[in-house]
Amino acid sequence: GNSVTQMEGPVTLSEEAFLTINCTYTATGYPSLFWYVQYPGEGLQLLLKATKADDKGSNKGFEATYRKETTSFHLEKGSVQVSDSAVYFCALSGEGGSQGNLIFGKGTKLSVKP
Amino acid sequence: GAVVSQHPSWVICKSGTSVKIECRSLDFQATTMFWYRQFPKQSLMLMATSNEGSKATYEQGVEKDKFLINHASLTLSTLTVTSAHPEDSSFYICSALGTVGNQPQHFGDGTRLSIL
Repeated sequence: GNSVTQMEGPVTLSEEAFLTINCTYTATGYPSLFWYVQYPGEGLQLLLKATKADDKGSNKGFEATYRKETTSFHLEKGSVQVSDSAVYFCALSGEGGSQGNLIFGKGTKLSVKP
Repeated sequence: GAVVSQHPSWVICKSGTSVKIECRSLDFQATTMFWYRQFPKQSLMLMATSNEGSKATYEQGVEKDKFLINHASLTLSTLTVTSAHPEDSSFYICSALGTVGNQPQHFGDGTRLSIL
């Protein structure tokens, strides 16, 4: 079945450091891929998404590129801020962007120190 | 943007009581709502999918008599944890999917349930 694997945290960085959180997936067909962010005590917010191969999702300085050949969707940010401290979830769903069923990775906690 | 309101945000109650959690879509109609459970430091586990006007579809291992879901309107779904026990303590999150195609799920802020 479909699954998502993302790097285990926690990840601790200094402010302005470069961030990479790895995410790989297993799926049949052509799923859509997402990154969600969860700030402490809150629900999830969609950070970015990509619906087909080679698409790049971007938002708030974060980027991720849908790589079908490596079945990956790694999250990157060039310069993190303390306010980026949160848990990040990689997720996939059905083809064409439909979100009938989201499958989440286990989440990666990011802590950014000033 | 689309907003989903979840209430209450935090509830503490005695073992054996029933607790109702509401999930409302505030500025869009949600034909489908999802209920997730999140254990500490773990990912979200889908509990059930709720479609307006029909019975919810529960994931394997989720007791439907324990977790009652009602989706009576296009803007409201409720999850009732019946006869709650300490092992039901968790963070419950709902999400809503609008009627327009290819729109993302919008998540509520979650409900932290603590059973004493």
